[in-house]
Amino acid sequence: DAGVTQSPTHLIKTRGQHVTLRCSPISGHKSVSWYQQVLGQGPQFIFQYYEKEERGRGNFPDRFSARQFPNYSSELNVNALLLGDSALYLCASSLGPGGTGNTIYFGEGSWLTVV
Amino acid sequence: GQQVMQIPQYQHVQEGEDFTTYCNSSTTLSNIQWYKQRPGGHPVFLIQLVKSGEVKKQKRLTFQFGEAKKNSSLHITATQTTDVGTYFCANQAGTALIFGKGTTLSVSS
Repeated sequence: DAGVTQSPTHLIKTRGQHVTLRCSPISGHKSVSWYQQVLGQGPQFIFQYYEKEERGRGNFPDRFSARQFPNYSSELNVNALLLGDSALYLCASSLGPGGTGNTIYFGEGSWLTVV
Repeated sequence: GQQVMQIPQYQHVQEGEDFTTYCNSSTTLSNIQWYKQRPGGHPVFLIQLVKSGEVKKQKRLTFQFGEAKKNSSLHITATQTTDVGTYFCANQAGTALIFGKGTTLSVSS
């Protein structure tokens, strides 16, 4: 079975542009979360979606938005890119929305460089 | 918000030596999860601890959750070069995983 798949794997954008990152969860998983990992740091929670509804949001500006589609895939959108948005963006999927019973599986991430 | 602090930030060992990373919180944690991230890779789930004083083993890896559920440790016995990477502890707080900054392990043969 395929794991969590993300696209694109690498991309370079210019300040002020916007970017869309895509994620397909593991088959059967209904929850998708997005994390930002800056070099040398642990992943930071951005969003969680479950059954197409936003269930959680981290401390990120409104430039960050996301959605989940009927097939449970998800998109993360970032507008008005800043140099500080350069990071590895990780998508994670799990069966349920959270709690101790749901193992979280991360995709390989999308490396975003803003120049 | 809830934070988990990890020490040390970096650790270099000779192959065959033991390694331990510690995760601490000022508040009681509902659970602690451990992840490993290889250089250039993504975090991979290792284990979850839920109960006070819980100890779990995976081959050469031993995971502990403190009695007060405020700290945890990961101990690797007789490190191998394949153990290289960054080890993160994380707490599931509602819908979010709150990660520590990680301990980066390097191993020389």
